[in-house]
Amino acid sequence: DSGVTQTPKHLITATGQRVTLRCSPRSGDLSVYWYQQSLDQGLQFLIQYYNGEERAKGNILERFSAQQFPDLHSELNLSSLELGDSALYFCASSRGQATYYEQYFGPGTRLTVT
Amino acid sequence: SQQGEEDPQALSIQEGENATMNCSYKTSINNLQWYRQNSGRGLVHLILIRSNEREKHSGRLRVTLDTSKKSSSLLITASRAADTASYFCATGPAPKLTFGTGTRLTIIP
Repeated sequence: DSGVTQTPKHLITATGQRVTLRCSPRSGDLSVYWYQQSLDQGLQFLIQYYNGEERAKGNILERFSAQQFPDLHSELNLSSLELGDSALYFCASSRGQATYYEQYFGPGTRLTVT
Repeated sequence: SQQGEEDPQALSIQEGENATMNCSYKTSINNLQWYRQNSGRGLVHLILIRSNEREKHSGRLRVTLDTSKKSSSLLITASRAADTASYFCATGPAPKLTFGTGTRLTIIP
């Protein structure tokens, strides 16, 4: 158990809908990262927050947005969903924001868009 | 785009044998990390090697780094069934990590 929790574990929704994925980082970790893992794109970095502020953006679509709240939990919002958004979405956390900090991954949310 | 490319894409070996997988990356790095992912689960950090290090050990894991060739290798000695997983290398630039395509390792009992 990494100490990172993600809810829900599974999500099935229709195209055009909007969903929210939630992540609680390990106690004491200030950085939260979101990743998308799909068969064709592999593991892709989406976005990172550090202590409530956005610090880095990767291959995140404009239809996706995220935020980190004062209690450090984070939410990833996916809107106008398309079939291609079906993937595993992982949240990770770390103490700091540099790459030499080990990232602890949550169990993931499996999103299926039908 | 992927920063790292693991090789081979898939590897099957007998339990007890050693497994070696390689990672090549494109740009200069400060450090390189290896992660393991069991099927459909989150990634688990294995080891980090800094750019000024050439070799690092952790238990049955041995990682080497050749910055001149922009490559790294992960050796798992005396493999066990529980080592069956996908293995990814990851590099910066900070603060984000970019993961390779992964090597799918299967240990045959």
